[in-house]
Amino acid sequence: ETGVTQTPRHLVMGMTNKKSLKCEQHLGHNAMYWYKQSAKKPLELMFVYSLEERVENNSVPSRFSPECPNSSHLFLHLHTLQPEDSALYLCASSHSWEANNEQFFGPGTRLTVL
Amino acid sequence: AQTVTQSQPEMSVQEAETVTLSCTYDTSESDYYLFWYKQPPSRQMILVIRQEAYKQQNATENRFSVNFQKAAKSFSLKISDSQLGDAAMYFCAYKDGGSQGNLIFGKGTKLSVKP
Repeated sequence: ETGVTQTPRHLVMGMTNKKSLKCEQHLGHNAMYWYKQSAKKPLELMFVYSLEERVENNSVPSRFSPECPNSSHLFLHLHTLQPEDSALYLCASSHSWEANNEQFFGPGTRLTVL
Repeated sequence: AQTVTQSQPEMSVQEAETVTLSCTYDTSESDYYLFWYKQPPSRQMILVIRQEAYKQQNATENRFSVNFQKAAKSFSLKISDSQLGDAAMYFCAYKDGGSQGNLIFGKGTKLSVKP
């Protein structure tokens, strides 16, 4: 297994709930990423943090709010989600936000919105 | 915008046989990177193999090799001597070669390995 962990692994929430996904990397990397993986669709990049600064936000609805308190931790805060937000949310990290750096992925959080 | 296309939603191979997964991409850049990632059921996605566009030689990693055709914008993955543990989703991905760049993924190919 890689050095990227995600909690919880499974989450079921109602549309009015507020929850947070957590990602932690033990690899000493400086860049972290959130992806959304839906069935029969390509992985969608949501957010990129490089050296704890958000460098990419791919038109993600405001009901998803990322937080990167330090280079090892990344959170995705969720509120008033919709059923179509149900998906596997993957966190990844890389040494830096350079093109040739390998991204290491976590196991994902399987989110179900009722 | 760059796109990545995997035209085979599902593939099947007999154990010990060879299988090739297809990937095409569209870009106007000359400097870029291509990747194949493997996502086993309920397990983490891992990098299988990487190709730099400026390298003419096809990348190989043990039983995994690629056929990189830059002019045709094709990047297929060949798995030799297939093993049961090769069963997984395989994703082709592209990344611009600039100082920063984001991975662009295809929809994936589900590979089954028959004993």
